[in-house]
Amino acid sequence: NAGVTQTPKFRVLKTGQSMTLLCAQDMNHEYMYWYRQDPGMGLRLIHYSVGEGTTAKGEVPDGYNVSRLKKQNFLLGLESAAPSQTSVYFCASSYYTGAYSNQPQHFGDGTRLSIL
Amino acid sequence: AQSVSQHNHHVILSEAASLELGCNYSYGGTVNLFWYVQYPGQHLQLLLKYFSGDPLVKGIKGFEAEFIKSKFSFNLRKPSVQWSDTAEYFCAVNFKAAGNKLTFGGGTRVLVKP
Repeated sequence: NAGVTQTPKFRVLKTGQSMTLLCAQDMNHEYMYWYRQDPGMGLRLIHYSVGEGTTAKGEVPDGYNVSRLKKQNFLLGLESAAPSQTSVYFCASSYYTGAYSNQPQHFGDGTRLSIL
Repeated sequence: AQSVSQHNHHVILSEAASLELGCNYSYGGTVNLFWYVQYPGQHLQLLLKYFSGDPLVKGIKGFEAEFIKSKFSFNLRKPSVQWSDTAEYFCAVNFKAAGNKLTFGGGTRVLVKP
């Protein structure tokens, strides 16, 4: 059982380039999330999705776009990469058991992204 | 805005020492509380969670945490650490007003010296 899989694991971009990070989960979870992790700041939510075809903004959405065309996949896009987007990106997923749930989130292994 | 604070950014301990990591949150309403651990180079893993009942919860690997509602705190403890507990620890809170989103603390890096 793979859980949450992120690709790629590492990437180096030049300023202004675009790229897409892929997250796939095989647990049939309704909720999916994208976070960025920066030293001393914990994880901050970029965007999230409560189901196929739906997305919503998190705490730090600027410069990112997302799509969830299939329930198992959640894509994070950077249209024009900036050095401030250098970070480690984590995807997570969780079950939906109500508008306010105690279900834990399950995390992928992360993508380390450097923008030069 | 809702926020989560972890008091210590770095902790250095010797093996067999006791560990306590502080976590406070900014909201007086209903919360679900989590501690996650991130071992070097790995993803976050759930250590324990609290959502109701006994405020002292036990998790994996000998960790426990106590929810003190009056202090808005959810401190993590382990009586005797091992070298393998070297990791970064994150407190996370699911505020009811925020639906199914987590707010993370800044993390505490724990180094256990053999």
